[in-house]
Amino acid sequence: KQEVTQIPAALSVPEGENLVLNCSFTDSAIYNLQWFRQDPGKGLTSLLLIQSSQREQTSGRLNASLDKSSGRSTLYIAASQPGDSATYLCAVRPVNWGKLQFGAGTQVVVTP
Amino acid sequence: ETGVTQTPRHLVMGMTNKKSLKCEQHLGHNAMYWYKQSAKKPLELMFVYSLEERVENNSVPSRFSPECPNSSHLFLHLHTLQPEDSALYLCASSQLGDGPYEQYFGPGTRLTVT
Repeated sequence: KQEVTQIPAALSVPEGENLVLNCSFTDSAIYNLQWFRQDPGKGLTSLLLIQSSQREQTSGRLNASLDKSSGRSTLYIAASQPGDSATYLCAVRPVNWGKLQFGAGTQVVVTP
Repeated sequence: ETGVTQTPRHLVMGMTNKKSLKCEQHLGHNAMYWYKQSAKKPLELMFVYSLEERVENNSVPSRFSPECPNSSHLFLHLHTLQPEDSALYLCASSQLGDGPYEQYFGPGTRLTVT
């Protein structure tokens, strides 16, 4: 059974610092991995999707890496801003189905 | 706006009430999902519909009853709920088949059972 873990559960950084969020998964037989952002009481917004054959994806200040063999993905957010404050979730899609398995998320606070 | 809408956004209901949550997707996807998000817990998949057929039911109590009349609409009918059912209910859609097929989520319905 796939287990997805996100560490740390919460993170607070001053504005301008780079953010590093970690996601680990126990079964490397994944089709892809997706990073989401969730604002309090709101739905999820997809940030980046990395296919299992890819090593990384970039969008603006966001960069996500994937090391499938070690079961890890890292989301980097450069030069953090207060608007980056949110909960970040990762989810893996196994090779045999479209059902996503989610981590519990990392709650990020960026202080001005 | 992700192309997935949910109504109502907030709902307070008593344990004896019957209510329904509605989800609509405007993305042309062929699969729709209901998730439950409780405080401090990972998202729990409840139901999956593919081409209007239910393909997954993750041991959800019968007081939750999904309905998918067409590929664009998904309902979750609620009756005789318990206080522990209070949570954020999220709807999502995606394409199924070979391909990256990201899931797109609606804004959620915040449900409080009193």
